[in-house]
Amino acid sequence: RKEVEQDPGPFNVPEGATVAFNCTYSNSASQSFFWYRQDCRKEPKLLMSVYSSGNEDGRFTAQLNRASQYISLLIRDSKLSDSATYLCVVNGGTALIFGKGTTLSVSS
Amino acid sequence: SQTIHQWPATLVQPVGSPLSLECTVEGTSNPNLYWYRQAAGRGLQLLFYSVGIGQISSEVPQNLSASRPQDRQFILSSKKLLLSDSGFYLCAWSAGSGYTFGSGTRLTVV
Repeated sequence: RKEVEQDPGPFNVPEGATVAFNCTYSNSASQSFFWYRQDCRKEPKLLMSVYSSGNEDGRFTAQLNRASQYISLLIRDSKLSDSATYLCVVNGGTALIFGKGTTLSVSS
Repeated sequence: SQTIHQWPATLVQPVGSPLSLECTVEGTSNPNLYWYRQAAGRGLQLLFYSVGIGQISSEVPQNLSASRPQDRQFILSSKKLLLSDSGFYLCAWSAGSGYTFGSGTRLTVV
């Protein structure tokens, strides 16, 4: 089983749509979780941390279900500028483990 | 504020040639430093990490090596590049939760 699994997409949505990404992880001992955003041919950048109680940052909402080892990211009112690859990231003890990413394309 | 510098941005090297990529961090002391590689169509793969000067841990056997000669300097090297070494190399630092990445080096081995 892969350590961090994501649906690669692509997700093609119109502006204003709500889109959700899901991620599962294999290490039940993991304690830290993140979503990163990566634009084409650029380095990944931290989008938000994910907390057990769920957390929101503007149009972005992250949820964590430890029992199911499942992480989600919800983007409301999608903008053209949201087009990117979203990486699910889990602390593997030694270092962060990255999923392969889910690609989002928002069109007008 | 903390910044991370990585160079060069792009590199084209022939098979069998040596490699040296450098990463430096400013504005912090004793950071944890990491080298990742992102091959085409694949996720980020951890190559090396370092918790201090001269302390290097390797995650996967490969044609590469790393060194940390100074607290805020991390170097990725190879004596002889292979075609399979092509990819996007990213240096990152951590002083808590989450990593900050350098802008990366896109290496093409021809």
